Amino acid sequence: EMVMTQSPASLSVSPGERVTLSCRAGQSIFTSLAWYQQKPGQSPRLLIYGASTRATGIPARFSGSGSGTEFTLTINGLQSEDFGVYYCQQYSNWPQTFGQGTKVEVK
Amino acid sequence: EMHLLESGGALVQPGGSLRLSCAASGFTLSSFAMSWVRRAPGKGLEWVATLTSSGKNTYYADSVEGRFTVSRDNSKNILYLQMNSLRAEDTAMYYCAQGTFYYDPWGQGTLVTVSS
Repeated sequence: EMVMTQSPASLSVSPGERVTLSCRAGQSIFTSLAWYQQKPGQSPRLLIYGASTRATGIPARFSGSGSGTEFTLTINGLQSEDFGVYYCQQYSNWPQTFGQGTKVEVK
Repeated sequence: EMHLLESGGALVQPGGSLRLSCAASGFTLSSFAMSWVRRAPGKGLEWVATLTSSGKNTYYADSVEGRFTVSRDNSKNILYLQMNSLRAEDTAMYYCAQGTFYYDPWGQGTLVTVSS
């Protein structure tokens, strides 16, 4: 199955800063990539699909980019409610697989 | 608004069985493909199973193939996950979610613990 590798594993960021999270696929997945945010005690929330399309209701400060094997989730102007774990997920190859997650802590 | 509510999670012994339910509101389950995804303690997310909108096709992760069965009751608008021959490694929070490839929305999850 496709291995998805996220980096960094964790980071601590001050509110207002720009955050860049990376996700790498084991082989090309074109743009078949989604990003999720999961806060403690909550279920995951879809942020991005198709590598760059924001899901309904997702603030414009979240943006996704990339294609092939390299992908990025950018949060422009981190807000305190943005803490949590961020997962990438590929859906180009069956079975769909997730990265191990990046934990974002707010300073 | 689409809403999903899981139930049925419990503490069960290895080798035991459990059936999880996912009640949908705000939409008709039979109009969408539905999936189960789990998160084991200290680990990431893992896709478990998918039921297509037609209800005719099911797909399973290798780790649960032959032990888990996903189904749907259209009259009750409920999705199920029948879990048999449970193992310690099945311990996880189980989420139902709408979608085949990417998932939105998700339920709040139900906890399954397999332990003696």
